[in-house]
Amino acid sequence: KNEVEQSPQNLTAQEGEFITINCSYSVGISALHWLQQHPGGGIVSLFMLSSGKKKHGRLIATINIQEKHSSLHITASHPRDSAVYICAVSFGSNYKLTFGKGTLLTVNP
Amino acid sequence: EADIYQTPRYLVIGTGKKITLECSQTMGHDKMYWYQQDPGMELHLIHYSYGVNSTEKGDLSSESTVSRIRTEHFPLTLESARPSHTSQYLCATGSSGRTDTQYFGPGTRLTVL
Repeated sequence: KNEVEQSPQNLTAQEGEFITINCSYSVGISALHWLQQHPGGGIVSLFMLSSGKKKHGRLIATINIQEKHSSLHITASHPRDSAVYICAVSFGSNYKLTFGKGTLLTVNP
Repeated sequence: EADIYQTPRYLVIGTGKKITLECSQTMGHDKMYWYQQDPGMELHLIHYSYGVNSTEKGDLSSESTVSRIRTEHFPLTLESARPSHTSQYLCATGSSGRTDTQYFGPGTRLTVL
C-alpha cells in the first residue's frame, strides 16, 4: 500500500515569505498531484507531475522520483494563499488517487 | 475546465432516513469518483466509475451505494443514515485518456442526528 506523508502539518507565515511544503511516498508512482482545498471544502488541482518541475504563477512544484519526494513552493506568499495543500499520488494504470493528510497554511498580513 | 455540481451542499437529517447525494457534470468525463472526508483528515475513495453501468467500491468501506446510468450523473445513496455517516462527501471527475487529473465538486456536508 502506498503511504503519502506530508510535512509540515501546519504552517504559519508572514505575507511575502517563501513557503515550502513537502511530500514523500513509499512506492513507485505514475504521477503526483498537488491540490488546494479552501475553507468550505472546494478542491482545486494545482499540478500533476511525473518528473522534473512545473511552474504556474507564484507556485512551483518539483519531484525527485529516485528519492520519492516532491515539494510545493509558494513565492511571495499572500493571505489568499491560506488553504490546505494536499499531495496525492497515483500508480500504474490505476486512475485512483491516494491522498496525504494535507498541510494547513496560514499566511498573515 | 470541468463543471461539477453537487446537491445539496448541506444536509441535516435524522437517523434511519434514506438520502441521495447528487453529483452531475457537464464535461462528458468518463471517470467519476466519490470521496469521504472527515474534518482535518485525508480524503478516502468510497466509490468510482469509469463509465456508464460501471461502478466499483473504493478503498474505504462504505454502506453507501452508487449508480451510473448516464455519463453526467453519479448519485450516492444511503438507505438508512446513521450518525457515523456524518462527514463531507466530495464528487470528482476525470477526463478520458491516460490522465489522472481530477476535478472536484464543492462537496456535500452531511450531518446525521
